[in-house]
Amino acid sequence: DAGVIQSPRHEVTEMGQEVTLRCKPISGHNSLFWYRQTMMRGLELLIYFNNNVPIDDSGMPEDRFSAKMPNASFSTLKIQPSEPRDSAVYFCASIKQGAVYGYTFGSGTRLTVV
Amino acid sequence: GQQLNQSPQSMFIQEGEDVSMNCTSSSIFNTWLWYKQDPGEGPVLLIALYKAGELTSNGRLTAQFGITRKDSFLNISASIPSDVGIYFCAGITGNQFYFGTGTSLTVIP
Repeated sequence: DAGVIQSPRHEVTEMGQEVTLRCKPISGHNSLFWYRQTMMRGLELLIYFNNNVPIDDSGMPEDRFSAKMPNASFSTLKIQPSEPRDSAVYFCASIKQGAVYGYTFGSGTRLTVV
Repeated sequence: GQQLNQSPQSMFIQEGEDVSMNCTSSSIFNTWLWYKQDPGEGPVLLIALYKAGELTSNGRLTAQFGITRKDSFLNISASIPSDVGIYFCAGITGNQFYFGTGTSLTVIP
């Protein structure tokens, strides 16, 4: 099992540019989560999907952030336009809905907006 | 949302020493998890606890689910340099995960 795969691992972009982060969950996992991690706020849940359907997006900072899950094996998190305060590590995690053994996290995308 | 408070926030210890950290909440959880995050990587699950009072070990790691269901403890015995990282607790209630603020561990050889 390849685990949760995120790309890119690092992204440096200029303020105002569009940024797209990608995630492939573990096969068979039907819940997917996007987290943001910063020194100041720790791990923050942005949005999660069950069976490709967004369930709770209350953690999405503002309208500049959007997430999609067009199928069970792929999700994107888009920031448009990006701002320096969006600089953080973005993690994707997946789990089989109803399981109690905890998420499996990807290795994260480190985003730097200059 | 739920607040999980971890302490200590950071620790600097000598190799070979034992480590203790804890996580407390004002709310009850049905499951407690402990994760470790290595630098530049995502958190990795270490131990899962499913009922109050449960004590579970994973090698040199031992974790306990508090009797009140509002806290959990993680102990690391005989620390080694590769134990360095950030340790997160997480509580589950219903379908919601809540993460603690993390304990940063530095092991000095």
